[in-house]
Amino acid sequence: QVQLQQWGAGLLKPSETLSLTCAVYGGSFSGYYWSWIRQPPGKGLEWIGEINHSGSTNYNPSLKSRVTISVDTSKNQFSLKLSSVTAADTAVYYCARGHVVVVPAAHGFYYYYYYMDVWGKGTTVTVSS
Amino acid sequence: SSELTQDPAVSVALGQTVRITCQGDSLRSYYASWYQQKPGQAPVLVIYGKNNRPSGIPDRFSGSSSGNTASLTITGAQAEDEADYYCNSRDSSGNHRDVVFGGGTKLTVL
Repeated sequence: QVQLQQWGAGLLKPSETLSLTCAVYGGSFSGYYWSWIRQPPGKGLEWIGEINHSGSTNYNPSLKSRVTISVDTSKNQFSLKLSSVTAADTAVYYCARGHVVVVPAAHGFYYYYYYMDVWGKGTTVTVSS
Repeated sequence: SSELTQDPAVSVALGQTVRITCQGDSLRSYYASWYQQKPGQAPVLVIYGKNNRPSGIPDRFSGSSSGNTASLTITGAQAEDEADYYCNSRDSSGNHRDVVFGGGTKLTVL
């Protein structure tokens, strides 16, 4: 059974860089999209970005200028860096495994589905001076 | 980028049926996935694809889709189903790069 174990600093000062790592245990690293998601206190889920095993990334446009996601396939790990943090970045940060499935439909069209089936337990990150 | 819209809160009497909806343009191309989140816990996938349940998810959870609207139905809601529910897909515009979540629906079981 695949498990994600995540870790990183939980208390940061404004302008510092948030750094988290997520390790994948019990499964393949290839063929999936590995995401970071965050949840500010009392609010909903916000996708931060993702990476695949070859290092191809997609980032949330609202965070793109501050986000870097990298992968270390030799260790089955992927990491998040978020620079110049402020209090607005205070949140629980999750890592998750994502699947994209393409389903052929009639007349040459396609349907898709995307889902995240395995999640880390979350890391609480607080930004405070 | 595409957005997914959910009602902020829904309530259901114990044992009754409730439908939670999610609207967005990307749902014309993507089946939504649905997640249950209880306080202090990570989200748990409950429905994905056309109407698929991961192992361990009760069959009272089901999914459906029509046009730009996806629905999560709980038939015979139990007290333990009280939670926040989020829908999710990818943005079908551009190159399907962005992942999007709905704002979440808080389900209260009365």
